[in-house]
Amino acid sequence: DQQVKQNSPSLSVQEGRISILNCDYTNSMFDYFLWYKKYPAEGPTFLISISSIKDKNEDGRFTVFLNKSAKHLSLHIVPSQPGDSAVYFCAASGRGSSNTGKLIFGQGTTLQVKP
Amino acid sequence: DAGITQSPRHKVTETGTPVTLRCHQTENHRYMYWYRQDPGHGLRLIHYSYGVKDTDKGEVSDGYSVSRSKTEDFLLTLESATSSQTSVYFCAIKGAVAVDEQYFGPGTRLTVT
Repeated sequence: DQQVKQNSPSLSVQEGRISILNCDYTNSMFDYFLWYKKYPAEGPTFLISISSIKDKNEDGRFTVFLNKSAKHLSLHIVPSQPGDSAVYFCAASGRGSSNTGKLIFGQGTTLQVKP
Repeated sequence: DAGITQSPRHKVTETGTPVTLRCHQTENHRYMYWYRQDPGHGLRLIHYSYGVKDTDKGEVSDGYSVSRSKTEDFLLTLESATSSQTSVYFCAIKGAVAVDEQYFGPGTRLTVT
């Protein structure tokens, strides 16, 4: 059972426009959410995160929105640049008593930004 | 960049042979993780460690074992490799308990023929 889902395998946008990547989760115990970016032949790199006590977190061109009632989060990239072309993974974790930091990842969305 | 290296970076092996992948960190971080990445599945946790000699299973641990005898090294062993273990393997590290962000190594591409 996929607890974190990215239902769009791919997304194509024009340079300068907004990219919106979506992620849904099913486990209400998740309380921290992260986005990672991955280029081919490299490891994922951390992009931005959000705690469940917030509904928005912004870092430069990247903003993550969290809708807890809908169990949905999204990553907005404005303006999109060709260098943003990569695979984007959302991930979730639940603190629990030990906080071992185990992350559950979505399947990934491949973003292509066209010049 | 987090000081994480993985070796080997690429390996081709035959079904039934043992394989060990190494993850080495220079950050002195407590937590280390092994994931595999497969098309349509994203990254899935195999095993993780929360200290020297302290390890636990992830969601896809069957067929894999791990060891951590030093803070800086986390080994992933496939006792008898199968074709279903063909994948890209990533190691990750995490520092403090209160921090959720993990930092990943460059990956090992393993092909089992």
